[in-house]
Amino acid sequence: GAVVSQHPSWVICKSGTSVKIECRSLDFQATTMFWYRQFPKQSLMLMATSNEGSKATYEQGVEKDKFLINHASLTLSTLTVTSAHPEDSSFYICSALSPVLGSYEQYFGPGTRLTVT
Amino acid sequence: DAKTTQPTSMDCAEGRAANLPCNHSTISGNEYVYWYRQIHSQGPQYIIHGLKNNETNEMASLIITEDRKSSTLILPHATLRDTAVYYCIVYTGTASKLTFGTGTRLQVTL
Repeated sequence: GAVVSQHPSWVICKSGTSVKIECRSLDFQATTMFWYRQFPKQSLMLMATSNEGSKATYEQGVEKDKFLINHASLTLSTLTVTSAHPEDSSFYICSALSPVLGSYEQYFGPGTRLTVT
Repeated sequence: DAKTTQPTSMDCAEGRAANLPCNHSTISGNEYVYWYRQIHSQGPQYIIHGLKNNETNEMASLIITEDRKSSTLILPHATLRDTAVYYCIVYTGTASKLTFGTGTRLQVTL
């Protein structure tokens, strides 16, 4: 099946700094990728939809200036958490859409655990 | 996308079948039933999906009622590695977002 990778798998940063998370589709091209956030013992919450070559679409309540998304190629989307604060500590997961037999499947990355100190 | 309802948690003995129910009474005619699972601290893993016929693959079987208002995911011989949160999602299969509910936390025990 299709493989999606994320880098880094975990990161610790200091409050006020920015951190970039990469999401790559390794063996397929993805015009659409999604970014989710998951707090402990909670479900995945969609943050934004990332479309190659266009601006991301953010879910209600997600600050677009704080969570910068760039989808510059068909295999790479990046999420930059700017001016990170401890409350941004979370598990960030991306997924990529792959067309399969006339419909689409979403394949998920392994996630990136961000800890802001 | 339609909303789903799942039990919060379930236990299953290793080697036995795990039957995970899901209610989706407001499902539309063009919506599929998808199942994903998430093992602790990993990304969700696709398991199976179906429209109205029962489906089976190497991981599981999916039984969808005739009125499509509910379904059951069956893991025929659960192992400890199947301990995870299982999410039932209804989805049109188009290039749109998935909405995750709270899922069912399955604990497989010896």
